[in-house]
Amino acid sequence: EAQVTQNPRYLITVTGKKLTVTCSQNMNHEYMSWYRQDPGLGLRQIYYSMNVEVTDKGDVPEGYKVSRKEKRNFPLILESPSPNQTSLYFCAKWEDRVYEQYFGPGTRLTVT
Amino acid sequence: TQLLEQSPQFLSIQEGENLTVYCNSSSVFSSLQWYRQEPGEGPVLLVTVVTGGEVKKLKRLTFQFGDARKDSSLHITAAQPGDTGLYLCAGAQYNFNKFYFGSGTKLNVKP
Repeated sequence: EAQVTQNPRYLITVTGKKLTVTCSQNMNHEYMSWYRQDPGLGLRQIYYSMNVEVTDKGDVPEGYKVSRKEKRNFPLILESPSPNQTSLYFCAKWEDRVYEQYFGPGTRLTVT
Repeated sequence: TQLLEQSPQFLSIQEGENLTVYCNSSSVFSSLQWYRQEPGEGPVLLVTVVTGGEVKKLKRLTFQFGDARKDSSLHITAAQPGDTGLYLCAGAQYNFNKFYFGSGTKLNVKP
């Protein structure tokens, strides 16, 4: 069964304190992505990765970083979080040429 | 501005009624997906449509991709309380790596 895990599920932090949200997948899929979900805006793609060491910006990359040092992990890094990054974050994965995305359970982040 | 416009945003109906959710764009997509999301969980894929004019059925759910691959619809027949949730459409453009989501339709089916 295709699985995506995220940690932590809930995080409350303060402005400027660096944080990392982890994402792992169990199927060796090449493609992974991070989204944020805000009321009335649906999901917006932050970054995506096509393979190890290959990443590219999505629609809303400002204030975020990612890394893909190994295929199974795709962490999202907020170097200096701000209150406008308070949101629900999802990690997803999919196979090349197969359009089925599998999403993680989400991380609810609050930045005060 | 959303690349994909979904309507309606909210829908509250009685059990047994039919409904249709629309997903429209001025852009062409190589594929379009529909997801359902429950509170506190990630979206779960319902269907992917790829060919213009394609119709797919999943029990009481019927999905259609527009001939020009710019729009899609989801029709639910005889809705049940278990259909309650947030329905999201998402389009992939030709490079396959970027996905654009609609803002979602929140469906509530009352028993």
